[in-house]
Amino acid sequence: AQSVTQLDSQVPVFEEAPVELRCNYSSSVSVYLFWYVQYPNQGLQLLLKYLSGSTLVKGINGFEAEFNKSQTSFHLRKPSVHISDTAEYFCAVIAPYGGATNKLIFGTGTLLAVQP
Amino acid sequence: GAGVSQTPSNKVTEKGKYVELRCDPISGHTALYWYRQSLGQGPEFLIYFQGTGAADDSGLPNDRFFAVRPEGSVSTLKIQRTERGDSAVYLCASSLRLADTDTQYFGPGTRLTVL
Repeated sequence: AQSVTQLDSQVPVFEEAPVELRCNYSSSVSVYLFWYVQYPNQGLQLLLKYLSGSTLVKGINGFEAEFNKSQTSFHLRKPSVHISDTAEYFCAVIAPYGGATNKLIFGTGTLLAVQP
Repeated sequence: GAGVSQTPSNKVTEKGKYVELRCDPISGHTALYWYRQSLGQGPEFLIYFQGTGAADDSGLPNDRFFAVRPEGSVSTLKIQRTERGDSAVYLCASSLRLADTDTQYFGPGTRLTVL
């Protein structure tokens, strides 16, 4: 079975500072990896996804993530955050060959709190 | 264009009552998914449809939960004899095809509170 761990439930950061949100996954098979963002009172929105190829993935709003197979990680980064980045961020996987095809398996989320 | 919409946005009901939650997917999307998000948790898969048929309902917690998509577009999640533990945000998503690589687009959710 697959699982996703987001160890940081909340990450406070000052505006214009860099940020990294950590995500580790567990799977015995290859996975596709996703980061979604949930703004208050809105639906989940895809930030970026890794399917194959280059391990550095660039997404919307200046975010990027790097897939590290040896460390089973997919950390999300942004070099300079804005107040408007305050939201809940979810890491998720799909295991196309692991009996969990088409099902997103989510972590528990990390609240990014950007302070002025 | 219009995204995934869900109605109602909030539903308060009493223990033991029956509820229906509706999802309107993005026009042209053939795959539709339901997830449930409990407080402080990430969304958990319930069921997905390819067209009118439920391709995988392995995430439904028990037989009180049922979902339909009779015409391959709108879907309704039905919960019988609601329990306090059913309180959660129910999320619907759709994708163009039923494919692991296709992006799932989420609606804003229905917050269900069972008193």
